[in-house]
Amino acid sequence: SYELTQPPSVSVSPGQTASITCSGNKLGDKYVCWYQQKPGQSPVLVIYQDNKRPSGIPERLSGYNSGNTATLTISGTQALDEADYYCQAWDSNTVVFGGGTKLTVL
Amino acid sequence: QVQLVQSGAEVKKPGASVKVSCKASGYTFTRHDINWVRQAAGQGLEWMGWMNPNSGDTGYAQKVQDRLTMARDTSISTVYMELRSLRSEDTAVYYCARRNHINSFDSWGQGTLVTVSS
Repeated sequence: SYELTQPPSVSVSPGQTASITCSGNKLGDKYVCWYQQKPGQSPVLVIYQDNKRPSGIPERLSGYNSGNTATLTISGTQALDEADYYCQAWDSNTVVFGGGTKLTVL
Repeated sequence: QVQLVQSGAEVKKPGASVKVSCKASGYTFTRHDINWVRQAAGQGLEWMGWMNPNSGDTGYAQKVQDRLTMARDTSISTVYMELRSLRSEDTAVYYCARRNHINSFDSWGQGTLVTVSS
């Protein structure tokens, strides 16, 4: 079965840039979505089709997908960006989530 | 606005079944698949399956396909997820999520905690 691999944790200082990766075999051939989840809350879609932002998601969040790796980049990271982030793709009509990355803003 | 409202928390014994509902509003119910995703405490998201509310077609994750059934009632814009032969490992928060036309989950329910304990 298809797998997506994320680092368990990423740390960043306020105002700096955070990058969260998601790796999978030929992932660049698929569309990747990213979800943000804060403690006790439901996930929220922040990136779809690799690099598009839903309405209301700040421009600080961006996505890129090529080869075997998709990347979520958060520029000018703020304390409110501290959350778990999950990548997601479709494979053979099934949904695959990455294991999630805890972003800590130090 | 789009809203998915789920039924309340459940406590079940091992071997029992649980049925969780997800009531949709704010859009045409039959135009979007509903997916179910669960999350054990401190763990990641695990996809369980999807249902097309228009046709009734379903697709289930291999891990739970033998124990999972999804159904819908279009008259009340509600999708149901039933999981049978519950085990302690099924203890989790269960979410329903709407799949939009660009294959992402743009709206999620508030989650339903299912606890399996003897």
